[in-house]
Amino acid sequence: GQQLNQSPQSMFIQEGEDVSMNCTSSSIFNTWLWYKQDPGEGPVLLIALYKAGELTSNGRLTAQFGITRKDSFLNISASIPSDVGIYFCAGQRRETSGSRLTFGEGTQLTVNP
Amino acid sequence: NAGVMQNPRHLVRRRGQEARLRCSPMKGHSHVYWYRQLPEEGLKFMVYLQKENIIDESGMPKERFSAEFPKEGPSILRIQQVVRGDSAAYFCASSPSRGGGGPLHFGNGTRLTVT
Repeated sequence: GQQLNQSPQSMFIQEGEDVSMNCTSSSIFNTWLWYKQDPGEGPVLLIALYKAGELTSNGRLTAQFGITRKDSFLNISASIPSDVGIYFCAGQRRETSGSRLTFGEGTQLTVNP
Repeated sequence: NAGVMQNPRHLVRRRGQEARLRCSPMKGHSHVYWYRQLPEEGLKFMVYLQKENIIDESGMPKERFSAEFPKEGPSILRIQQVVRGDSAAYFCASSPSRGGGGPLHFGNGTRLTVT
């Protein structure tokens, strides 16, 4: 199956620092999504990107859909303790059935106060 | 995660027993997806259903696993004769799009432990 390479696997940062994580794929996606998962919870949608080159913000979060349609990044500015969690990228292809997503392996973010 | 309801939240089964996981999609959603998540890993697609139809089951093991989404009631993921390797978090998601392609909204999952 398709693979999404997400990096880094984990990050340990100080409160107030900016964070950047990214996903790359060997194949094209039509939609990129970024989710956050807290312990014991399901993934929560943060940002959805629908066009190559698109740059979208949601508060302190900014994500971009790579121009080649094979990559995406997520930036978090001025991190706070509640940003702790696992961040997943997910890609969606128009040819696949419905809204089926392929997920990256996640980036575990730890924010030290 | 409000809207997609999964139960039970935690399920413990002995090897060989059956596990039934239930998912009620968000109101107005008729597309349901099941994903499995092993510890320290991302979510892996299992099956995609619409009401009374299995659309894509390419990610679901051929044996012991089945899924349904009846005309009335929740979607059910059924695992027969569970083994220790079935221990995982199982997430359900629903989509609002008639033709597919909309973002998925996930429930809080069922954590299955096989002893």
